[in-house]
Amino acid sequence: DIQMTQSPSLLSASVGDRVTINCKASQNINKYLNWYQQKLGEAPKLLIYNTNNLQTGIPSRFSGSGSGTDYTLTISSLQPEDFGTYFCFQHNSWPWTFGGGTKLELK
Amino acid sequence: EVKLVESGGGLVQPGRSLKLSCAASGFSFNDYWMGWVRQAPGKGLEWIGEINQDSSTINYTPSLKDKFTISRDNAQNTLYLQMSKLGSEDTAIYYCARGTSFAYWGQGTLVTVSS
Repeated sequence: DIQMTQSPSLLSASVGDRVTINCKASQNINKYLNWYQQKLGEAPKLLIYNTNNLQTGIPSRFSGSGSGTDYTLTISSLQPEDFGTYFCFQHNSWPWTFGGGTKLELK
Repeated sequence: EVKLVESGGGLVQPGRSLKLSCAASGFSFNDYWMGWVRQAPGKGLEWIGEINQDSSTINYTPSLKDKFTISRDNAQNTLYLQMSKLGSEDTAIYYCARGTSFAYWGQGTLVTVSS
């Protein structure tokens, strides 16, 4: 199975900050990497699919990049509604696997 | 509007079985892969498995393959998850989601395994 390691696990930031969340795969996942945001008590929401494609309706302050085993989610200017937990997810090789999550909290 | 509604969760005793349903609407159900994901209380997301459009391909995470069975009824626009030999480690919110990118999710149904 491909292991997905996210860092950091906890991130404290302020409104307006630029933040990055990293996801490292245990082997090449050929850019088949998605990012989800989850708020407390809600289902996850797809933000980015296949590394750098913005899901419809997601603000352009979210972006993704990466290749091979290393991927990054960037929020260019943090907004109050962006706080929550973020998960990466690989769908290159079965079984698909999620990262452990990054909790983004208000500093 | 795409809508996924899970049902069938609840309190179940260890060792028993439970079948979850996911009713889909607002899209052509038989055009999409469908999958299940779970989340234990306070924990991360775990991919359970997925099924293709005509049920000819079903993939599972290995640790659950012998306990869980995914199926679908395209005539009823419904996805199912049959769970057997449940243990406390299966206590979680169970989500269904559409497609291999999981662009749409249901609200989840809580399964609690306890005596």
